[in-house]
Amino acid sequence: AQKVTQAQTEISVVEKEDVTLDCVYETRDTTYYLFWYKQPPSGELVFLIRRNSFDEQNEISGRYSWNFQKSTSSFNFTITASQVVDSAVYFCALFNAGKSTFGDGTTLTVKP
Amino acid sequence: EAGVTQFPSHSVIEKGQTVTLRCDPISGHDNLYWYRRVMGKEIKFLLHFVKESKQDESGMPNNRFLAERTGGTYSTLKVQPAELEDSGVYFCASSPGTHNEQFFGPGTRLTVL
Repeated sequence: AQKVTQAQTEISVVEKEDVTLDCVYETRDTTYYLFWYKQPPSGELVFLIRRNSFDEQNEISGRYSWNFQKSTSSFNFTITASQVVDSAVYFCALFNAGKSTFGDGTTLTVKP
Repeated sequence: EAGVTQFPSHSVIEKGQTVTLRCDPISGHDNLYWYRRVMGKEIKFLLHFVKESKQDESGMPNNRFLAERTGGTYSTLKVQPAELEDSGVYFCASSPGTHNEQFFGPGTRLTVL
């Protein structure tokens, strides 16, 4: 069975602080994909990043960066110099051959 | 290009009534998925269509839920009869391939009273 754990239910930071959202996953499969989605207050789910299980290279996109470590089954997401517009619920997800498992989500609040 | 659309955006019904949710995927996307988020918990997979065929419906909670995708275009998800625990946000997503990122619709918020 697959499982995704986002241990942080809620995080609150002050603008310009850096924040890391944790994601730990479990799967017996060797081939899988990991995703992060953002759900702003408007409700839609916005795709942020996809990583396949064979690509452990970390990625940086603007203020966003992702750290994928297979040894610890983690795919953590860091926002540098957070902004109020980053306030949202963030979901980590594990996909394999059409089967998808989401974490419970982490609610991030960035205060001005 | 239009994204994934869902209708209605909100639905409030009474226990025992029937509700039908609709999802229009991005044109050309063979893969269509339904998910549900109940009471702020995780987003749970319901089922996966490849064109008009059900590839995986292991997440469907019970036989009160019926999903169809006639012609491999839009999909409907019918709940009949609705129960209180069916309340939540139902998301639809589509992708061109099984391993591509899934593009999500805005969701339908269902409230069963």
